[in-house]
Amino acid sequence: QVTLKESGPALVKPAQTLTLTCTFSGFSLSTSEMRVSWIRQPPGKALEWLARIDWDDDKFYSTSLKARLTVSKDTSKNQVVLTMTNMDPVDTATYYCARTTSRVYFDYWGQGILVTVSS
Amino acid sequence: QAVVTQEPSFSVSPGGTVTLTCGLSSASVSTSHYPSWYQQTPGQAPRTLIYSTNTRSSGVPDRFSGSILGNKAALTITGAQADDESDYYCVLYMSGGISMFGGGTKLTVL
Repeated sequence: QVTLKESGPALVKPAQTLTLTCTFSGFSLSTSEMRVSWIRQPPGKALEWLARIDWDDDKFYSTSLKARLTVSKDTSKNQVVLTMTNMDPVDTATYYCARTTSRVYFDYWGQGILVTVSS
Repeated sequence: QAVVTQEPSFSVSPGGTVTLTCGLSSASVSTSHYPSWYQQTPGQAPRTLIYSTNTRSSGVPDRFSGSILGNKAALTITGAQADDESDYYCVLYMSGGISMFGGGTKLTVL
């Protein structure tokens, strides 16, 4: 059974760095063609793809947010970490991690974590 | 930067058929974009409906189908039901290894 769960702070202050962890089970990121993506959704708005890390440690980032994002993995812990620097109130959103397959679609999603950026 | 376009809203009668589309501002959508479709109801994580243009995800009813129509990806719902009332998002896989979501379509069944 594949599960993913996001964890991290519910509230961050403007200009701070956000660190989110995706802890998953039911698959391994050391397995060929496995990937994990991060996606966010501001309240009442559309989903936005942020980043992806692949089994071979390749990393891909949203063009518009690339300068602020870093994704990494700890295969032994079954975790993927996303950091986003210089947080702003417009970054207030529910952040999801999702398993991503070789056909580059998101087949399993975490429940999401709401992160509010406010002083 | 390319933009993935979707109709902001659509309405369908119960039992009716509706086709939602997913376009690309800078080019035609093809199977090489591996179009995928997701359904989301308020407060819930998205649910995968269709991947690789036209493959239904496990457990998805066959009233949902995907295709390429002209220069866009399309999601067709045949025999719409009340619980199909949701937001629908498409995703395209772009060159450089990135993915892009469309702005979503709010489907009303009435």
